[in-house]
Amino acid sequence: GIQVEQSPPDLILQEGANSTLRCNFSDSVNNLQWFHQNPWGQLINLFYIPSGTKQNGRLSATTVATERYSLLYISSSQTTDSGVYFCAGGSGGGADGLTFGKGTHLIIQP
Amino acid sequence: GAGVSQSPRYKVAKRGQDVALRCDPISGHVSLFWYQQALGQGPEFLTYFQNEAQLDKSGLPSDRFFAERPEGSVSTLKIQRTQQEDSAVYLCASSFSVTFFTGTFGSGTRLTVV
Repeated sequence: GIQVEQSPPDLILQEGANSTLRCNFSDSVNNLQWFHQNPWGQLINLFYIPSGTKQNGRLSATTVATERYSLLYISSSQTTDSGVYFCAGGSGGGADGLTFGKGTHLIIQP
Repeated sequence: GAGVSQSPRYKVAKRGQDVALRCDPISGHVSLFWYQQALGQGPEFLTYFQNEAQLDKSGLPSDRFFAERPEGSVSTLKIQRTQQEDSAVYLCASSFSVTFFTGTFGSGTRLTVV
């Protein structure tokens, strides 16, 4: 199956800083998504991004499918950005379960 | 409802006990997934339903795990003879589309086997 590696595993930043989270996947994926898991365990979908670039407020993501990686950018970090960020990929369509990475644990300090 | 609802939120089971975890998906969502998330790990796929049909159960770790969705709406994940390694958060997700997943996850059930 697909292997998903995320880096860095942990990241501590001051409020206002920018960050880049990386996701490498072992094989081609047709379905790549980024999630944020808040301290209460709720998983929130951030981006569905099998290729290209998307932006949503202070967050943006870029996937280079030919090189099998994706990047999540967080600008002007806020304490509410803290939590675990997961990248997940799938080789098929929506009926295929996603393979998640181990996540990047982000702590934003005031 | 407005979101995916899971119950109970927390469950403590004695080793050997059977448990049943419930998932109420968003109304009208065709696809339903169960995932298992161990402490400090990412979620791992367990099983997938399209309406009432269980199309993929390749992620179920053993025959002690059983899932059903008899009317294509509410789903139940049952674990028989629980063991300590079953301790995890069990997440349910549902999606309107069967062609791509940008669905919604529930808050999960945290199962602790003692």
